[in-house]
Amino acid sequence: NAGVTQTPKFQVLKTGQSMTLQCAQDMNHNSMYWYRQDPGMGLRLIYYSASEGTTDKGEVPNGYNVSRLNKREFSLRLESAAPSQTSVYFCASRATGISYNEQFFGPGTRLTVL
Amino acid sequence: DAKTTQPTSMDCAEGRAANLPCNHSTISGNEYVYWYRQIHSQGPQYIIHGLKNNETNEMASLIITEDRKSSTLILPHATLRDTAVYYCIVRVANTGKLIFGQGTTLQVKP
Repeated sequence: NAGVTQTPKFQVLKTGQSMTLQCAQDMNHNSMYWYRQDPGMGLRLIYYSASEGTTDKGEVPNGYNVSRLNKREFSLRLESAAPSQTSVYFCASRATGISYNEQFFGPGTRLTVL
Repeated sequence: DAKTTQPTSMDCAEGRAANLPCNHSTISGNEYVYWYRQIHSQGPQYIIHGLKNNETNEMASLIITEDRKSSTLILPHATLRDTAVYYCIVRVANTGKLIFGQGTTLQVKP
């Protein structure tokens, strides 16, 4: 199993450009999450999807949209990138059914907005 | 979710036990204690979790005080590869959301 994969690994955007970060998992997990991590900080939840067809806001949703395309894929879109969105973005997934199941994280996408 | 307090940084000699403390004085009865670590900007990795009993797995041990207001993660024989940021997180069992603090940077030294 590849686990959680993210594309691209690195991206540089200019202010105002748009892009979509892709995330896929092959563990048949119901729940998926998007986090951002700024330098020297812990991760902050942007959006999550408890199950296919549902999405909810996390701590810092402003400036982002998400799509749960199917059970495997959960994408994060920046419609008009801003320098404040320069960060490392992590996707995670989690099995449900057992309430304390852990989250599995992808390797991250490093985004710079100029 | 309850907030946690951890020291900013700790050092440990290679081969010795690393004991990482965490305070969670406002923890509720249905909240679990989770530990994750992040090695050099990789994605966080799950280590262990517990509710009120002490727990042990192949990676670490988790000691939770009887009043559940604090816990300690123990890496029994730290190696250089255990150098990482360690996050203590408290969350309600039936939600998937994790709230990360700034964690403890553990430096294992030769």
